Amino acid sequence: DTEVTQTPKHLVMGMTNKKSLKCEQHMGHRAMYWYKQKAKKPPELMFVYSYEKLSINESVPSRFSPECPNSSLLNLHLHALQPEDSALYLCASSQGFPNEQFFGPGTRLTVL
Amino acid sequence: RKEVEQDPGPFNVPEGATVAFNCTYSNSASQSFFWYRQDCRKEPKLLMSVYSSGNEDGRFTAQLNRASQYISLLIRDSKLSDSATYLCVVNSGAGSYQLTFGKGTKLSVIP
Repeated sequence: DTEVTQTPKHLVMGMTNKKSLKCEQHMGHRAMYWYKQKAKKPPELMFVYSYEKLSINESVPSRFSPECPNSSLLNLHLHALQPEDSALYLCASSQGFPNEQFFGPGTRLTVL
Repeated sequence: RKEVEQDPGPFNVPEGATVAFNCTYSNSASQSFFWYRQDCRKEPKLLMSVYSSGNEDGRFTAQLNRASQYISLLIRDSKLSDSATYLCVVNSGAGSYQLTFGKGTKLSVIP
């Protein structure tokens, strides 16, 4: 079962709000990822967790804070976002490297 | 030079046509190669991995030429449901978790 789930599907938040995006996979994958995708652009990598440890942070602003509570879960905590942060946020997982990554359906975020 | 370059789209083809997408990558240390498809406002979905020996999955054939750093995808007997954006994806080097995405090529299959 190659399924990655994400909640919520849609999120609208103000610039002073705090919210969290959630991602879950039950494929036993050891690497999990957050991507940001703007319209008509390819996904941009934000963070990589490998064996529950943050291994890559692609110079993402501190208003985005990732968390990996266990090997199946990945969160992205949002605080004081800007309207330009509005995008589709995708979670992905892979068995390791250089294996295929499987994407969740994404959370469509709108920052007002 | 862009890391992963793809054909500029869009490709508009009639049903039943054969269409080919090409992709070049700049990082000679890349080890893994993939084609993903992405429907409008949906997530990328893995179409197929690409192996040095070439591989086929039904109507889809992928080829890799490491010497030329070139990847291709051939779709035979196009269906309306093949309409999507096709992303060429390459890992960023030995031992790397990072994937580098091409900008994608949009395919529209017309009745």
